[in-house]
Amino acid sequence: AQSVAQPEDQVNVAEGNPLTVKCTYSVSGNPYLFWYVQYPNRGLQFLLKYITGDNLVKGSYGFEAEFNKSQTSFHLKKPSALVSDSALYFCAVRDPDTGRRALTFGSGTRLQVQP
Amino acid sequence: DGGITQSPKYLFRKEGQNVTLSCEQNLNHDAMYWYRQDPGQGLRLIYYSQIVNDFQKGDIAEGYSVSREKKESFPLTVTSAQKNPTAFYLCASSPRGGGVDNQPQHFGDGTRLSIL
Repeated sequence: AQSVAQPEDQVNVAEGNPLTVKCTYSVSGNPYLFWYVQYPNRGLQFLLKYITGDNLVKGSYGFEAEFNKSQTSFHLKKPSALVSDSALYFCAVRDPDTGRRALTFGSGTRLQVQP
Repeated sequence: DGGITQSPKYLFRKEGQNVTLSCEQNLNHDAMYWYRQDPGQGLRLIYYSQIVNDFQKGDIAEGYSVSREKKESFPLTVTSAQKNPTAFYLCASSPRGGGVDNQPQHFGDGTRLSIL
């Protein structure tokens, strides 16, 4: 079975400071990992993904994430936070070695960036 | 512009009533999905379809039904058997097969269902 954990319900950071949103996963094989962002009353927007290759992946809006296989983590990072980054962030995983094509999502982390 | 359209944006259900949520995509994607979002619980998979005329139950399919008669459309019916239907419902789609299995899902803007 595949699962994802986002241990923080909320992360608070001051504008201009670096931010990290944590994600750990559990799959039987090599994972496909994704980060999405959700603004109020909207659908999810894709930020970035890790499939294979370089452990550091870069995505939209200056976000990046680091895949760490030994720690089974895929933390989302940004060097300098903006107030407009305030939103709900979801980590998701898919195990391509199973027949399940759908993603499994974490419970979400609310990012609050203070001016 | 290609995308996913969900309608209506807000929907109210009376006790004992079935309601149907619409999801249409013009991305030419084979696979489509329905998720339910509750506060603090993330997204949970209700049903998904990998191809026309085929669909599979997700993690919380009880009280829901779907059909996939056209590639572009994947409507979700919330039946009276679903005792706690109040939630935000999200539809998604993705390509399937070949070298595109690792492509991200695209999401609609959701339908918020409430009980009268």
